[in-house]
Amino acid sequence: GENVEQHPSTLSVQEGDSAVIKCTYSDSASNYFPWYKQELGKRPQLIIDIRSNVGEKKDQRIAVTLNKTAKHFSLHITETQPEDSAVYFCAASIDSNYQLIWGAGTKLIIKP
Amino acid sequence: DSGVTQTPKHLITATGQRVTLRCSPRSGDLSVYWYQQSLDQGLQFLIQYYNGEERAKGNILERFSAQQFPDLHSELNLSSLELGDSALYFCASSGGLDTQYFGPGTRLTVL
Repeated sequence: GENVEQHPSTLSVQEGDSAVIKCTYSDSASNYFPWYKQELGKRPQLIIDIRSNVGEKKDQRIAVTLNKTAKHFSLHITETQPEDSAVYFCAASIDSNYQLIWGAGTKLIIKP
Repeated sequence: DSGVTQTPKHLITATGQRVTLRCSPRSGDLSVYWYQQSLDQGLQFLIQYYNGEERAKGNILERFSAQQFPDLHSELNLSSLELGDSALYFCASSGGLDTQYFGPGTRLTVL
């Protein structure tokens, strides 16, 4: 079955710098890749997603890139701000069952 | 606000007891997913229902069960509770596409 690996587990960056979180997946049939942000004690919230027919998607300071050949996708956050501090989860799914396979999460720390 | 509601917000109970967590999906969503998240851990998928039928099972213990009712709300039943069952339990819903929307969670504390 599908397996999703997420790196790094913890990422500490200076405020204003960029942060990159990478996920790799195993099933080449996966075609949907969302990213969720979870603040402490709160619900995971979808921040951006990408489908396999697209190589890159941007939304203000957030972007996701997908490399289908290498089977990896990455979250890029530019000009990081204190409110970006959270745990970020990647996931992958196949259309046929609508079940998301989750990465283990990355704790992003923004240093002032 | 995602439109997914969960009750109760907090639940404190003793070992060996049984509890029921409730979830109402977003209006029109047919799929409901249950997740367990222990302290500082990732999201552990438990079970998925689609329009009343069980669709997928994750690492759900035999002491746990769930169902989805005709009005599409879902309940997760946890029995013979152990200390290790203390966690945040999230419900999520989707409308048939992949995007899942999460409820605020129920924090279960087993003493």
